[in-house]
Amino acid sequence: DARVTQTPRHKVTEMGQEVTMRCQPILGHNTVFWYRQTMMQGLELLAYFRNRAPLDDSGMPKDRFSAEMPDATLATLKIQPSEPRDSAVYFCASGSRTGRSYGYTFGSGTRLTVV
Amino acid sequence: GEDVEQSLFLSVREGDSSVINCTYTDSSSTYLYWYKQEPGAGLQLLTYIFSNMDMKQDQRLTVLLNKKDKHLSLRIADTQTGDSAIYFCAETPGNNNDMRFGAGTRLTVKP
Repeated sequence: DARVTQTPRHKVTEMGQEVTMRCQPILGHNTVFWYRQTMMQGLELLAYFRNRAPLDDSGMPKDRFSAEMPDATLATLKIQPSEPRDSAVYFCASGSRTGRSYGYTFGSGTRLTVV
Repeated sequence: GEDVEQSLFLSVREGDSSVINCTYTDSSSTYLYWYKQEPGAGLQLLTYIFSNMDMKQDQRLTVLLNKKDKHLSLRIADTQTGDSAIYFCAETPGNNNDMRFGAGTRLTVKP
């Protein structure tokens, strides 16, 4: 089965360090999402792209977060500088509008711990 | 408040039916979804329903949609211990391309 690949699976870093999370969407999917999951806030949409162009990043703290798609096979989410409150699981999801549904496939997530 | 609301917990006995409920607020939502998340994993699409349908059945899963009340439910027949997970309801608002999730319902199945 085709899958969305996220790396790393786990990341522990010190406060103030830069963190880069990567996502390889499913080949042929033209929409890529970044979500953050915490116990307190649940699933939050951070940003999403269509055909590599950013459509909405209003859910993302602009001063420290940035999301890019350098090419169709790679999406990145960077945090600089990282803070303890950024500790969460970050999910990437990809999808494309089909004739019948608009569901997305999620990666397994990157569990980030900032100490 | 949240756009999509779900109760947080549900506990059932193995073999019983589970019903997970969800309410949404955007009447223009075209598709509504149920996702399942097992511990340490991402979200897995279980099923979806188009807004012009009121019911969809897929093996042990039955989705009911009441557009008038903006209410969506997921029924799992003959619930098994492997069904224990968090279940998320989600909508795609009519004018947007994103997907909005509820907080998730944690289903616990007791033997």
